[in-house]
Amino acid sequence: AQSVTQLGSHVSVSEGALVLLRCNYSSSVPPYLFWYVQYPNQGLQLLLKYTSAATLVKGINGFEAEFKKSETSFHLTKPSAHMSDAAEYFCAVSEGTGFQKLVFGTGTRLLVSP
Amino acid sequence: EAQVTQNPRYLITVTGKKLTVTCSQNMNHEYMSWYRQDPGLGLRQIYYSMNVEVTDKGDVPEGYKVSRKEKRNFPLILESPSPNQTSLYFCASSFLAGGPHGELFFGEGSRLTVL
Repeated sequence: AQSVTQLGSHVSVSEGALVLLRCNYSSSVPPYLFWYVQYPNQGLQLLLKYTSAATLVKGINGFEAEFKKSETSFHLTKPSAHMSDAAEYFCAVSEGTGFQKLVFGTGTRLLVSP
Repeated sequence: EAQVTQNPRYLITVTGKKLTVTCSQNMNHEYMSWYRQDPGLGLRQIYYSMNVEVTDKGDVPEGYKVSRKEKRNFPLILESPSPNQTSLYFCASSFLAGGPHGELFFGEGSRLTVL
């Protein structure tokens, strides 16, 4: 069964610093990978997704993620953090063989200080 | 505006008192799902529905019921709530044709406390 592991339940950065949120996946077949963001008191919204096309995926708000099969990773990055990026970020995986199975990680809360 | 609407957003209830959390989407999505979010556990799927009258269990279905009588609505029913069902609940929907690669649209969440 597929799964994702997000390293670090909290990540703190200064405004303008690089953001790096880590996600490693486990899947028996080529996976489909997603990053969702949850702003305070809101539902989740899709940030970006990897579906076996380009390995470097660009999303909204300047975020991007790179699929690395050799490392089974799909880390999320942003060159320069903004205060409005403070949120919780979830990595998710689907094996593509059953629509209903989107498995989420435990989430990483990003804190941005001035 | 395309949206998934959940009600109530906040609810405090007592053990054993039946309650229903409603979910409605206006995007004509075939697929709908319920998740619960707990600290340190992320989102776990409770039930999902592929279309009207088609529902199935997710990873944590115990203590919950659902129904899908209309395409737009997917209520979550707690027949006899217990304190371990205190959680933040999310409803989500998507086009079935999008498959697992498609985007899930989430409601704003319903925070339930069972005393």
